[in-house]
Amino acid sequence: DAKTTQPNSMESNEEEPVHLPCNHSTISGTDYIHWYRQLPSQGPEYVIHGLTSNVNNRMASLAIAEDRKSSTLILHRATLRDAAVYYCILRASGAGSYQLTFGKGTKLSVIP
Amino acid sequence: GAGVSQTPSNKVTEKGKYVELRCDPISGHTALYWYRQSLGQGPEFLIYFQGTGAADDSGLPNDRFFAVRPEGSVSTLKIQRTERGDSAVYLCASSVSGTSFSSTDTQYFGPGTRLTVL
Repeated sequence: DAKTTQPNSMESNEEEPVHLPCNHSTISGTDYIHWYRQLPSQGPEYVIHGLTSNVNNRMASLAIAEDRKSSTLILHRATLRDAAVYYCILRASGAGSYQLTFGKGTKLSVIP
Repeated sequence: GAGVSQTPSNKVTEKGKYVELRCDPISGHTALYWYRQSLGQGPEFLIYFQGTGAADDSGLPNDRFFAVRPEGSVSTLKIQRTERGDSAVYLCASSVSGTSFSSTDTQYFGPGTRLTVL
């Protein structure tokens, strides 16, 4: 299975933009890039996903490198509520892709 | 609408006892998943249901673990002869489909059940 590499932790000041990187150098052409986050004492929640093009939604933006070997989750204005562990996950197309394979993720701290 | 709910939120048991953990998925979701999360780690897949049947139970660690979903809605994870190493947060998730377009099928997680085996 293709793996992802993320920094263990990052810090951001409140109301500043945050760029969370993810490396996935062994990604295959049909793997989708998903991001989930887990707030303290809660289950993970979906943030965003993409295949090749950059994506925007109400929570965040996803910037995907042209060679797809890395991606960046962008929070445009970090709030205290964004303090969480962020997971970058690859999901293959077809059979077996229902399973989410989580790494350790990046723990984001937001400083008031 | 109502999200995924799990009961109990916390369960403390003694080594060797039997426990049941319950998951109520989002109404209408055909796919249901169980994950286990140890301290400081990301969740690990245990089992996946498509409707009433377990489509993939490859993540169950051993035969002490069993899960059912008899009517295709509520699911129960059952652990026999609990061991201290079973202590973890057990997470349940559901999704609309789980199959054909599963690579984009969003999973919605419950808050988890924290199991402590003394």
